[in-house]
Amino acid sequence: DAGVIQSPRHEVTEMGQEVTLRCKPISGHNSLFWYRQTMMRGLELLIYFNNNVPIDDSGMPEDRFSAKMPNASFSTLKIQPSEPRDSAVYFCASSSSFMNTEAFFGQGTRLTVV
Amino acid sequence: AQSVTQPDIHITVSEGASLELRCNYSYGATPYLFWYVQSPGQGLQLLLKYFSGDTLVQGIKGFEAEFKRSQSSFNLRKPSVHWSDAAEYFCAVGSVATDMRFGAGTRLTVKP
Repeated sequence: DAGVIQSPRHEVTEMGQEVTLRCKPISGHNSLFWYRQTMMRGLELLIYFNNNVPIDDSGMPEDRFSAKMPNASFSTLKIQPSEPRDSAVYFCASSSSFMNTEAFFGQGTRLTVV
Repeated sequence: AQSVTQPDIHITVSEGASLELRCNYSYGATPYLFWYVQSPGQGLQLLLKYFSGDTLVQGIKGFEAEFKRSQSSFNLRKPSVHWSDAAEYFCAVGSVATDMRFGAGTRLTVKP
């Protein structure tokens, strides 16, 4: 398996624009997580899905953030409108179960909002 | 509330020297403990984990960690560091994936 695949690897956008980050989990994994990594706050769990259903989105910072998982092989994290303070590395991870704490991480998307 | 503290933001060691990265945690129950490594531009890779049993855990790439309940610590060690070990290391604690807390990370630099 190719592992968790995220795209794009790097994204530079202007403030106010919509940004969409994409994730393909490992085949057969039914739990998917979105994390944000910043220098100030470290790694934070934003939202997680189990069997394509959002279970807990309490980590999503604001209503500008939304995430979807239309099927077992694809998820998106959208920021609309984007702001400079959203600049961070966003990681997607998948696991065979949300009860199994061994999560496999993608390489991340480095987002810069100018 | 559960939390993880990695006291050292940046550590520099010479290649071939031994390494110990510190991790202290606060958790209300018996924790599951993890060490992840993040190479530049890469995602996090699990090095090792502790769930129960033997408190000395062996991981990949020659790393090991020891769980010490009395000290609330889970320090990562390697007897001889290689230049390819230069990366950022994260300690994490939790009982389920959705409840994991990561430390701030320790950046390791390896001198030739």
